[in-house]
Amino acid sequence: NAGVTQTPKFRVLKTGQSMTLLCAQDMNHEYMYWYRQDPGMGLRLIHYSVGEGTTAKGEVPDGYNVSRLKKQNFLLGLESAAPSQTSVYFCASSKGIKGTGERNEQFFGPGTRLTVL
Amino acid sequence: QKEVEQDPGPLSVPEGAIVSLNCTYSNSAFQYFMWYRQYSRKGPELLMYTYSSGNKEDGRFTAQVDKSSKYISLFIRDSQPSDSATYLCALPSPYQTGANNLFFGTGTRLTVIP
Repeated sequence: NAGVTQTPKFRVLKTGQSMTLLCAQDMNHEYMYWYRQDPGMGLRLIHYSVGEGTTAKGEVPDGYNVSRLKKQNFLLGLESAAPSQTSVYFCASSKGIKGTGERNEQFFGPGTRLTVL
Repeated sequence: QKEVEQDPGPLSVPEGAIVSLNCTYSNSAFQYFMWYRQYSRKGPELLMYTYSSGNKEDGRFTAQVDKSSKYISLFIRDSQPSDSATYLCALPSPYQTGANNLFFGTGTRLTVIP
């Protein structure tokens, strides 16, 4: 049981290049999330998904696209990387149980460190 | 105004000290309160979870919620070097839309010196 895994762990891009970050979870979770973490800014939600085939915008979606073709995978794409996208990216997943009295625990992957030159 | 505010620190204490980490929030609709711990170059992990006001204890850790002041705290007793990490408060969204999104504090970086 690997939990949440992310690939790659590190990446250096030049401005204007594109790339895709892959997140996979083996916990059969419905909900998945992409965050970026920057010094002094904390974790900021980029996009999220409430199930296979669905995606929605979070707090800082500009410059990113996502896809959830399979329940266990959530991809984050950068079409034209910019230096402002230099960050650590975390993927997370949760059961997706709604209603009061339910835990909202999100399980995080180890992160991808991205540098855009 | 941000939903959740947290003093970023950093905080440095000697081994064995009592540590107090704090967050404030603005919306009285928040009902659940979480603390995540994040070791250097790792993803955050849930440390404690509590509902409503009062205290919840788990070993050396105590989570405290004061809803009247919109103030939450995490206390660490007999702090150990292995407690050195960034601690983030997280509040599950009280809104009906979204995917059980969490509002995170910016995190407080703690170092426990042997």
